[in-house]
Amino acid sequence: KAGVTQTPRYLIKTRGQQVTLSCSPISGHRSVSWYQQTPGQGLQFLFEYFSETQRNKGNFPGRFSGRQFSNSRSEMNVSTLELGDSALYLCASSPSGFNYGYTFGSGTRLTVV
Amino acid sequence: QQQVKQSPQSLIVQKGGISIINCAYENTAFDYFPWYQQFPGKGPALLIAIRPDVSEKKEGRFTISFNKSAKQFSLHIMDSQPGDSATYFCAASEGGSEKLVFGKGMKLTVNP
Repeated sequence: KAGVTQTPRYLIKTRGQQVTLSCSPISGHRSVSWYQQTPGQGLQFLFEYFSETQRNKGNFPGRFSGRQFSNSRSEMNVSTLELGDSALYLCASSPSGFNYGYTFGSGTRLTVV
Repeated sequence: QQQVKQSPQSLIVQKGGISIINCAYENTAFDYFPWYQQFPGKGPALLIAIRPDVSEKKEGRFTISFNKSAKQFSLHIMDSQPGDSATYFCAASEGGSEKLVFGKGMKLTVNP
């Protein structure tokens, strides 16, 4: 059974640019959540999508957005990149939309220069 | 405001020893408490989880102890092995929400 797939694995962007990250959940999983991981702040919740609807949102500025497609694949977008956006962005999927345990992907390492 | 506080930040134990990680929470609405293990270059992986209606749950060498009145829970790793060397995170969520609040993590090193 394939796990959660995130692409790309590594990304280098310039301050002010925008970036789109992609996540393919485990087949049959309908909930996709995104987290930002940094050494200073740890793992912080960005947002969660279930059946193409955003159900939860963390405390991040509006520059961070996401969406989910009918096949449950999800993308997150960060506009007007800042140096502080450099982080590991993790996607997690779960089957039912109630927290019975995520499966995380390996993440996308974003570096903003 | 850090809703889940994890300690210690790092721990070194000898092979065969017991590793103990503690977490404390503030939100009494939390009703799901998972522990995750993360190796370098990988995403966190669910180890074990507990709900407040039980005080202890054991899976293999991993045991969660839960104290609802103290708002604390802990992970015990028995017979620690070098392969257990990783970063461990406690987390919490409420009301079936997918939103997890994580502790800051603890880096465990198990010496052979």
